[in-house]
Amino acid sequence: EIVMTQSQLSLPVTPGEPASISCRSSQSLLHIDGKNYLDWYLQKPGQSPQLLIYLGSRRASGVPDRFSGSGSGTYFTLKISRVEADDVGVYYCMQSLETPLTFGGGTKVEIK
Amino acid sequence: QVTLKESGPTLVKPTQTLTLTCTFSGFSLNTRGVGVGWIRQPPGKALEWLALIYWDDDRRYTPSLKSRLTINRDASKNQVVLTMTNMDPGDTARYYCVRRLVGVEHYFDYWGQGPLVIVSS
Repeated sequence: EIVMTQSQLSLPVTPGEPASISCRSSQSLLHIDGKNYLDWYLQKPGQSPQLLIYLGSRRASGVPDRFSGSGSGTYFTLKISRVEADDVGVYYCMQSLETPLTFGGGTKVEIK
Repeated sequence: QVTLKESGPTLVKPTQTLTLTCTFSGFSLNTRGVGVGWIRQPPGKALEWLALIYWDDDRRYTPSLKSRLTINRDASKNQVVLTMTNMDPGDTARYYCVRRLVGVEHYFDYWGQGPLVIVSS
């Protein structure tokens, strides 16, 4: 199975400042169709996870444009251009190139 | 409006079988590219994908639990049922029902509330 690694367990952030979360996969998520099968989800405190980014860089409907995804192959990054207080929670990356679908361990974003 | 709602026991005893039902609305599981699945989350831990069933009856399971899991659908009732046999305290978790889209897009876009299932004698 593909192992997803989020090396940052916790990320203290300052409102208004940028933030970056990284995710690595144990094998390339780049399919022959040219797409990277990597999603980002945010689980706010006490809530179900919500989709932020899919196929590596495509923003889901209704997601603010301060969120962006980048990367290819085995290394991916989620960037928040200007953090807001509502962005706190645990961010998970997930690969869907093959089953079993696997998640990273999560990065907890909290306000300094 | 797409919604998914899980129902089932909140407490099960070790060795028992867990049966969870996901009742959904706002979409059809007969539509090409649509799937419904289950993801769980032990308290304070990360998400773990369990199973998926697609519009064409394709079923996928996580290998580590495949022998214990069964996913079925009742399209007429807009329900998907997950059974997990031989429950253990280590299976205590929130169990989320999720909608998956595949094809042009690939993601879990709608999640249920994820009720907590406790395994204890």
